[in-house]
Amino acid sequence: KAGVTQTPRYLIKTRGQQVTLSCSPISGHRSVSWYQQTPGQGLQFLFEYFSETQRNKGNFPGRFSGRQFSNSRSEMNVSTLELGDSALYLCASSLGIVVTAEAFFGQGTRLTVV
Amino acid sequence: SQQGEEDPQALSIQEGENATMNCSYKTSINNLQWYRQNSGRGLVHLILIRSNEREKHSGRLRVTLDTSKKSSSLLITASRAADTASYFCATDGGSGGYQKVTFGIGTKLQVIP
Repeated sequence: KAGVTQTPRYLIKTRGQQVTLSCSPISGHRSVSWYQQTPGQGLQFLFEYFSETQRNKGNFPGRFSGRQFSNSRSEMNVSTLELGDSALYLCASSLGIVVTAEAFFGQGTRLTVV
Repeated sequence: SQQGEEDPQALSIQEGENATMNCSYKTSINNLQWYRQNSGRGLVHLILIRSNEREKHSGRLRVTLDTSKKSSSLLITASRAADTASYFCATDGGSGGYQKVTFGIGTKLQVIP
């Protein structure tokens, strides 16, 4: 069974640009959640999608958005990038909503904003 | 501030010793989960313990939950060098509805061979 796949693995962008990250969940999983990890703030929840609907959203500005497709694949978009957006972005998939079920994480996308 | 806060933030032990990490949280929960992360990679789920459970075991792992103190502990027995990683607790918001999951800052464990 294939694990959670995140693409790309590494990304370098310039301040002001936008970026789209992709996450392919484990087959059959309907929940995809996204997290930002930085040395200073730790692991912070961005949002969770379940069956194409956003269930919950963390405390991030509107520049951070996401969506989920009918095949459960999810994308996360960050517009008008800032230096502080440099982080490891992780996605996780689970059978049920993430707070009740074991979540399987991808390897992450390391975004560097210069 | 973080819902879950792990303590200690860093721990260094010899191979074969036991490692204990603690997690404290602020609001009531439905579930608490522990995850492991190896250096800059994805997280691996270890254990989920529900609010009506007090203790749970999985191999060399033992998790306890004290809802009256709003705290949980993760014990790794007979540690191995491969256990070197960061360990996070994750909580939900509780209070009658499943809220967003919140992770603590983590405990960085180093097991010295």
